[in-house]
Amino acid sequence: AQSVTQLDSHVSVSEGTPVLLRCNYSSSYSPSLFWYVQHPNKGLQLLLKYTSAATLVKGINGFEAEFKKSETSFHLTKPSAHMSDAAEYFCVVSDLDNQGGKLIFGQGTELSVKP
Amino acid sequence: DAGVTQSPTHLIKTRGQQVTLRCSPKSGHDTVSWYQQALGQGPQFIFQYYEEEERQRGNFPDRFSGHQFPNYSSELNVNALLLGDSALYLCASSDNGRGSYEQYFGPGTRLTVT
Repeated sequence: AQSVTQLDSHVSVSEGTPVLLRCNYSSSYSPSLFWYVQHPNKGLQLLLKYTSAATLVKGINGFEAEFKKSETSFHLTKPSAHMSDAAEYFCVVSDLDNQGGKLIFGQGTELSVKP
Repeated sequence: DAGVTQSPTHLIKTRGQQVTLRCSPKSGHDTVSWYQQALGQGPQFIFQYYEEEERQRGNFPDRFSGHQFPNYSSELNVNALLLGDSALYLCASSDNGRGSYEQYFGPGTRLTVT
């Protein structure tokens, strides 16, 4: 069975400093992995996705993630945090074994950005 | 181009009642998935509809049922509501006909059961 584990429930950074949100996955085959962001009272927005192409994936708003098979990790990074980055972030694996694939979400990491 | 839309935005129901939530997929999408997000948790997969049939189902009781219409819109029905059904219900659409599994989410319906 596939699963994702987000290693931090809450991360706090200062504006202008780097962001690192950690995610480990478990999958019996080559997974499709995603990061979604959820701002308060808003829906989920796709930040980036990995689907077995380049291992370094660039997303929107300056975020990127690196797929490391040997470490079963898919950590999300951003060089410089902005106040508008404060939100809940979800690491997600897609169950592509079944056509169409349900999404399996991690528990989420709340990112706070201090001025 | 409208994205995924859901109605209503908020809903308050009493234990034992029934509720119907609605979702219109993004234009060109043929597949709708439903998720339940309890407070402080990640979304949990309820089921997915494609070609008007339930194709995949998560670990939810039969009180949760759905339907997909010929125009690809979808409904989620929950019978005999429990307090624990209070959550944000998210609809996501995708274009599985083209083999694209990227899912786009609507803003959700906040259900409160009292």
